[in-house]
Amino acid sequence: SYELTQPPSVSVSPGQTASITCSGDKLGDKYACWYQQKPGQSPVLVIYQDSKRPSGIPERFSGSNSGNTATLTISGTQAMDEADYYCQAWDSSIPYVFGTGTKVTVL
Amino acid sequence: EVQLVESGGGLVQPGGSLRLSCAASGFTFSSYEMNWVRQAPGKGLEWVSYISSSGSTIYYADSVKGRFTISRDNAKNSLYLQMNSLRAEDTAVYYCARGAMKENYFDYWGQGTLVTVSS
Repeated sequence: SYELTQPPSVSVSPGQTASITCSGDKLGDKYACWYQQKPGQSPVLVIYQDSKRPSGIPERFSGSNSGNTATLTISGTQAMDEADYYCQAWDSSIPYVFGTGTKVTVL
Repeated sequence: EVQLVESGGGLVQPGGSLRLSCAASGFTFSSYEMNWVRQAPGKGLEWVSYISSSGSTIYYADSVKGRFTISRDNAKNSLYLQMNSLRAEDTAVYYCARGAMKENYFDYWGQGTLVTVSS
């Protein structure tokens, strides 16, 4: 079965850039998306089709996907960005696969 | 405004059954694929089941295949998940999630309903 691996945690200082990776076999051949989940809340889509932002998502959120790795980048990280982030892709074997999740801490 | 409101969660004994519902509003429900996604306490997201807009195509995660049944009633703008033979490992918050039109991601999520399987 297909698997997506993320680092368990990422720490970032306010105003700095946070990068969260998502690794999977030939992930660059698929579309990746990203969800943000704050404590006690439902997930919110922040990036779809590798790099597109839904309406209402700040421009500081960006994404890329190539080779075996998709990356979510948060530029000028704010305290409100502290949350868990999950990547997700579609694979014919499952079909919807979520990454293991990354906790972003803004120090 | 798109709204997805789940209900039906609760405490159930191992081996028991529960039926979850998701009431949709703010969009043309019959045009969208729908899914159930769950999250065990303190754990990550796990996709559970998918149903096409017409209900003709259905998929399940291996972990629930043969025990759970997804269905929908487009006349009532509602999505369902019938859960039988429940196990402790099914304990989770269950989210109803709308599939983005003709795309393989979820653009709206409900607030979730907690299912606890315990004796």
